[in-house]
Amino acid sequence: QVQLVQSGAEVKEPGASVKVSCKASGYTFTSYGVYWVRQAPGQGLEWMGWINAYNANTRYTQKLQGRVTMTTDTSTSTAYMELRSLRSDDTAVYYCARGGKTAAELAFDPWGQGTLVTVSS
Amino acid sequence: QSVLTQPPSTSGTPGQRVTISCSGSSSNIGSRLVNWYQQLPGTAPKLLIYSNNQRPSGVPDRFSGSKSGTSTSLAISGLQSEDEADYYCAAWDDSLNGWVFGGGTRLTVL
Repeated sequence: QVQLVQSGAEVKEPGASVKVSCKASGYTFTSYGVYWVRQAPGQGLEWMGWINAYNANTRYTQKLQGRVTMTTDTSTSTAYMELRSLRSDDTAVYYCARGGKTAAELAFDPWGQGTLVTVSS
Repeated sequence: QSVLTQPPSTSGTPGQRVTISCSGSSSNIGSRLVNWYQQLPGTAPKLLIYSNNQRPSGVPDRFSGSKSGTSTSLAISGLQSEDEADYYCAAWDDSLNGWVFGGGTRLTVL
């Protein structure tokens, strides 16, 4: 079955970077894209960006432009999301989800289990 | 403040029908397909409705979606206790060039 499995929880100090992985299985990785979404404690969902797993084209939300980088490793069917210069308000659960070959295409399905990133000194 | 507007909460009794509204603008709901997600407590979101009114395989037909102009709604009939969750609408926004979500609606089954 189609599945996305994410890396484990992280605790980072302010100013540090974090890199979350999302390993896909059950489908042809390069035929789809990957979305990244985050959810702060007790808050709603926030779209962070998208990457085309075939050609590595990306689209990031303006809010995170310059601090976020999304990449893929097609040899292991894994997507990565790196967020730099972490602040306390980056504390959230980070989700990956399968998407389309363009940023606006396809619903988010399925989702990874989520990765809690805590930013604290 | 979310781009798409949903009521923060709603409730119903078992067997009842409830609807959750989601309003947007011409740059998102008015010109794009809408998806709905269900997030059970402590779990990742799950796709519930796509392309305005389509159900993925495995989603009961008690769940339905509709769209009119710049608004959309999710209806749940024959409410069950396991439907207690947060529900989010989402659409691509052509002005922001990104996906936007509603703030979420918490459904309580009384």
